[in-house]
Amino acid sequence: DARVTQTPRHKVTEMGQEVTMRCQPILGHNTVFWYRQTMMQGLELLAYFRNRAPLDDSGMPKDRFSAEMPDATLATLKIQPSEPRDSAVYFCASGLVPSLGAGGMNTGELFFGEGSRLTVL
Amino acid sequence: SQQGEEDPQALSIQEGENATMNCSYKTSINNLQWYRQNSGRGLVHLILIRSNEREKHSGRLRVTLDTSKKSSSLLITASRAADTASYFCATANYGQNFVFGPGTRLSVLP
Repeated sequence: DARVTQTPRHKVTEMGQEVTMRCQPILGHNTVFWYRQTMMQGLELLAYFRNRAPLDDSGMPKDRFSAEMPDATLATLKIQPSEPRDSAVYFCASGLVPSLGAGGMNTGELFFGEGSRLTVL
Repeated sequence: SQQGEEDPQALSIQEGENATMNCSYKTSINNLQWYRQNSGRGLVHLILIRSNEREKHSGRLRVTLDTSKKSSSLLITASRAADTASYFCATANYGQNFVFGPGTRLSVLP
């Protein structure tokens, strides 16, 4: 039963500390998304990768957030230094999404992990 | 900025009734998808409708798409308490990023 795995599920940290969230996408998926969910803002797209290359990270505060895919089985989202306003649930999602040249008609569904709930005190 | 906007923000119905949620979007799309999120869980894909389709069914779910009005609706028939969740529409534009709306919180009362 293929699934997206996120760690940690819960993280409580103090302001100023570094936080790293990890995601293992479904094997064979070529696209990975990071979303942040809060009551106020809903689901915000932070960054996404296709074939491990970052395609769009415009939704991410660049001064403190960074996202990488060191290999096809691991995506990371790092916050350094963390702030109380970063408290949220962070979701990773993966999917099989064709490139523009493939016609784009078969953009498939996204599979979400269970999220990492971050609390910054 | 968010592409999809669901309406209503919250909906409360009795078990057995039908629930209808709407989604409006702003730009051209490749397809539109609906997802469900149970409290404290990740989103789960429900149904996808392509831009050249007008209606699609899956079990108790019926989705319509009107590209001229840039809107979609999700109908859940004969609702159950287990349908209580938040429902999101997401638009996908030719393999680019997926943008989610703020969601509709559905409560189905037994």
